[in-house]
Amino acid sequence: SQQGEEDPQALSIQEGENATMNCSYKTSINNLQWYRQNSGRGLVHLILIRSNEREKHSGRLRVTLDTSKKSSSLLITASRAADTASYFCATQSGAGSYQLTFGKGTKLSVIP
Amino acid sequence: DTGVSQDPRHKITKRGQNVTFRCDPISEHNRLYWYRQTLGQGPEFLTYFQNEAQLEKSRLLSDRFSAERPKGSFSTLEIQRTEQGDSAMYLCASSPPLAGGYTDTQYFGPGTRLTVL
Repeated sequence: SQQGEEDPQALSIQEGENATMNCSYKTSINNLQWYRQNSGRGLVHLILIRSNEREKHSGRLRVTLDTSKKSSSLLITASRAADTASYFCATQSGAGSYQLTFGKGTKLSVIP
Repeated sequence: DTGVSQDPRHKITKRGQNVTFRCDPISEHNRLYWYRQTLGQGPEFLTYFQNEAQLEKSRLLSDRFSAERPKGSFSTLEIQRTEQGDSAMYLCASSPPLAGGYTDTQYFGPGTRLTVL
């Protein structure tokens, strides 16, 4: 079953603009991760944020986590055409389980 | 580090046939996962191995599905008596030994796309 719900389902922006994607989840978590998937390919890990962290940065990526609202956001600054992909949030609950539970994803299109 | 590899990349089969997929994890990664992804959805967890032991199985893994990792290296996923609903991308991921806790980055392979006619 899907744990998270990404919002929006699809996003189209111009190159150079910022892109913000949101993720909501249902149960308590150990950490939340964001992955990118280019059309028809495997997933690439982008960033991980632990449940005791509120914000994390990696290059042009900024992730926030609000465990009280069970939500996270991914901000991509100064977007590039190469950022065009689907973005998924995934949670790990801990408590003896290592499986990732993914949302349905946000499809981002960056127009040159 | 050559990444996770999967074979075949594409498989077309007729309903009722058996299929087997192979996954080779990144060397020295003792943990291996299988996921299934259908069109427009996120991946769904199927099963998890630590070394050769299968430690987690999803309810999605019906009796027709079996996964093995005999020597703690490569893994196979077999689907018996395939059904059209089995059509999906089957993704394998691996991760290194844990230093502690449950924080875990998984490295995914390119997937095997299965089409059941």
